[in-house]
Amino acid sequence: GAVVSQHPSRVICKSGTSVKIECRSLDFQATTMFWYRQFPKQSLMLMATSNEGSKATYEQGVEKDKFLINHASLTLSTLTVTSAHPEDSSFYICSAREAGGGYGYTFGSGTRLTVV
Amino acid sequence: ELKVEQNPLFLSMQEGKNYTIYCNYSTTSDRLYWYRQDPGKSLESLFVLLSNGAVKQEGRLMASLDTKARLSTLHITAAVHDLSATYFCAVEAYNNDMRFGAGTRLTVKP
Repeated sequence: GAVVSQHPSRVICKSGTSVKIECRSLDFQATTMFWYRQFPKQSLMLMATSNEGSKATYEQGVEKDKFLINHASLTLSTLTVTSAHPEDSSFYICSAREAGGGYGYTFGSGTRLTVV
Repeated sequence: ELKVEQNPLFLSMQEGKNYTIYCNYSTTSDRLYWYRQDPGKSLESLFVLLSNGAVKQEGRLMASLDTKARLSTLHITAAVHDLSATYFCAVEAYNNDMRFGAGTRLTVKP
């Protein structure tokens, strides 16, 4: 089946630094990928929709300049958390759906970000 | 805006009992998903429901969809401890993104 690889699985960074999270579709092409954030014991909140070759669409309240999304190819989207602060600590999950149709979303394994 | 309401949020069951989790959504959608999440892990796909009246079963879990009522249910039959997890329903919005319910944290006790 479809596989989405997300790296790193865990990262600890200092306040003020930037962290990049990668999301790769391994065996299919994804024109659209989605980035979610999940705080402890809460649901997944959509942050942005990443579109290959164009700008990402951000949800209301998500800072575009803080959460930079790049979808440079049909198999790779990256989320960069810039100038991270402790309140950015969260579980970040990406998902992708195969280009050209299909109805299944495949989720990455998630990235646990801790900002100290 | 598409809203997804899931209940109950917490469910403590004894092994062998049956129970149902409910998922209501606010706008028309033909695609509803159920996921399982274990602590510290990502989402595991359980069911994809694509049409009114769809029913799918896997082991002790059965999911159904009523698009007219905008309601999906996840029924648990004869619960076992291994089913302890958080279950999310998610509805696909018009622009193909997904909105999640708040999740149901299920604990199955011996």
